[in-house]
Formats: sequence, C-alpha cells, structure tokens
Amino acid sequence: QITLKESGPTLVRPTQTLTLTCTFSGFSLSTSGVGVGWVRQPPGEAPEWLALIYWNDDKRYSPFLKSRLTIAMGTSKNQVVLTMTNMDPVDTATYYCAHKYDIWSSYWYYFDYWGQGTLVTVSS
Amino acid sequence: DIVMTQSPDSLAVSLGERATINCKSSQTVFYSSNNRNYLAWYQQKPGQPPKLLISWASTRESGVPDRFSGSGSGTEFTLTISSLQAEDVAVYYCQQYYTTLTFGGGTKVEIK
Repeated sequence: QITLKESGPTLVRPTQTLTLTCTFSGFSLSTSGVGVGWVRQPPGEAPEWLALIYWNDDKRYSPFLKSRLTIAMGTSKNQVVLTMTNMDPVDTATYYCAHKYDIWSSYWYYFDYWGQGTLVTVSS
Repeated sequence: DIVMTQSPDSLAVSLGERATINCKSSQTVFYSSNNRNYLAWYQQKPGQPPKLLISWASTRESGVPDRFSGSGSGTEFTLTISSLQAEDVAVYYCQQYYTTLTFGGGTKVEIK
C-alpha cells in the first residue's frame, strides 16, 4: 500500500525559506520509473506542479519557479525534501507530494498516489 | 509551456443526467510514436487531494465507476459523467504530461 505524508511549518514569514518533507511508504525511490513530485494548490485555485525527483536522482523543476526550488532525497531513504526560498504571501497554498511510476521510466507522467497535503500560510 | 483550458468553469446537472467537461491544450499532447495522448483527469472533493480518474485520455483507473469516460485526441478532450450521482460533486481537473506538467483551471460540478 502506497502512502505519502507531507510535513513542515504551517506558517512562514515573507522572505523566509520553506522546507517541506514528504515521508512515503509502499515503494522505493530507487526503483526504475519511480518519481516523487510536489504540487501546490492555492485556496480555490488549480494545482500547480513544482518539482520532481526520479529514481536516478535526476530532478526537474517548474520553469516559473526553478530559481527558488530545490528537491532532494532526505536523510532517510523514504523521504523527499523540497525547499522554496524567498517565500511571499502569494505562495500560500496546500502543498502536496505525489507518486508516479511507469514501466518505461518516463520523466513526464501522471500522479497516481497523493498525500493529504499541508497548508502553508505566508504572512508576517 | 502547454496551457490547459477547461470549460465550463462550473456546471449544475440533475441527478442521473449527463455532465460534460471540456479541456483544450495549447499544443498537441498526442505522441505519434506510441499513438498516445498524454492527458489525465482528476477528481477533487473538498479537503481532499486530487484523485486520478483517467490516464492516456481514456483509460479509467481501477475502481473508477464506468459512468466516467474520457475521449478526445490531439488538443481537445472531454470528460463525461454519463449519469451524475451525488458523490460526483467535485472539481475536475485535466492535466497534460506530454512535457512538464500542467493542469487545467478546473470545472466545478454541482447538483441542479
């Protein structure tokens, strides 16, 4: 059974750096074709993809936010960490981590499992 | 980036009636080498993450009721709920995965 869970601060001050952790179970990020991504969703708006890390430690970022994002495997083999610098109130959103897998080891794919999300508010 | 445009923004349908949601991409998401459309549909209920309903434009995920169907190719796609049930009230999103990942703006489905 695949599960993912996001953790991190609920409140961040403007200009600060946000660090979120995705802790997952039921799969291994070292399996070819597996990826873990981050998606955010401002209140009442559509989801927006942020970043993906793959089984081979390759990474991809949203071109609009690339300069502010870093995705990496965590200290535990079942964790992925996302950092976003220079937070602004417009970054207030629910942040989700999600799983992808395909047998062709594609980079671009849909997400089949999602965490419940964590709401991050940016405010002074 | 490929821009995904959904219509309508919202629709109200009577129970048992058909709901149709449209999704248009700014460029093709059809990959001719494998004859596949890189288009997924998600359902999102309040307070929940998106749930994958359909991949490859028309392949239903396991456990998804067969009243949900996807169609279309190239740049124009449709999600159809053939007989709306109360539990189908949600926001529906299309997403392309042809290159990077982008979502449509969503369509809110309500009961009339």
